Amino acid sequence: QSALTQPASVSGSPGQSITVSCIGTSSDIGAFNLVSWYQQHPGKAPKLIIYSVSRRPSGVSGRFSASKSDNKASLTISGLQPEDDADYYCASYRIATTFPGVFGTGTKVSVL
Amino acid sequence: EVKLVESGGASVKPGGSLRLSCIASGFNFSVVWMTWVRQSPGKGLEWVGRIKSRSDGAATDYSPPAKGRFFISRDDSNTTVHLNMLNLRIEDTGTYFCARVHFGGWSGYNEVALDVWGEGTTVTVSS
Repeated sequence: QSALTQPASVSGSPGQSITVSCIGTSSDIGAFNLVSWYQQHPGKAPKLIIYSVSRRPSGVSGRFSASKSDNKASLTISGLQPEDDADYYCASYRIATTFPGVFGTGTKVSVL
Repeated sequence: EVKLVESGGASVKPGGSLRLSCIASGFNFSVVWMTWVRQSPGKGLEWVGRIKSRSDGAATDYSPPAKGRFFISRDDSNTTVHLNMLNLRIEDTGTYFCARVHFGGWSGYNEVALDVWGEGTTVTVSS
């Protein structure tokens, strides 16, 4: 099962905006509006921050936004803050020959 | 408080078996779908498998590395989901998380939106 492709790292200064990309195929991101994003701090469990492409769970900061175009999903963090320093993973539903979900490779976001 | 707590992680030899458990609290466990996700040391997230609710047949699906060796079951009376792992390999080493599948009401279960996670339990497979 091929993972979705994310950049290994993205960095920005406090207050800036950054975007993390997630590239899939016409069998996953391109086929469904079922893309999620997770934030994971070292040694902690992942936390859902975006689901259904662009919806935020209750309690998640409005600084996190996301979108999708064709086979590519994007997560934008606006007004970068020190606590945003973490790993970020996308995930997508996919036309299943095996398991119907696939994660991205993960992106380390560094707040400089 | 909505909570998931995993247990059962241990060090085992290749070829060994292990049973992980995840106890849920704070929500109606019997109606939810549950998932196991693992993370090898320093690596990314990987789906292990998912079990639907009993009303949805308690159907299970597994990722290729888990298929045929790992088995997920649920005990709704004890709000627990289990992951039975057989014939363990060195590459099964990692932290295993259980997570709840988000239910979106009219839109149903969103299998890739895991809205509650446990802290994880560590499995080490080594000779």
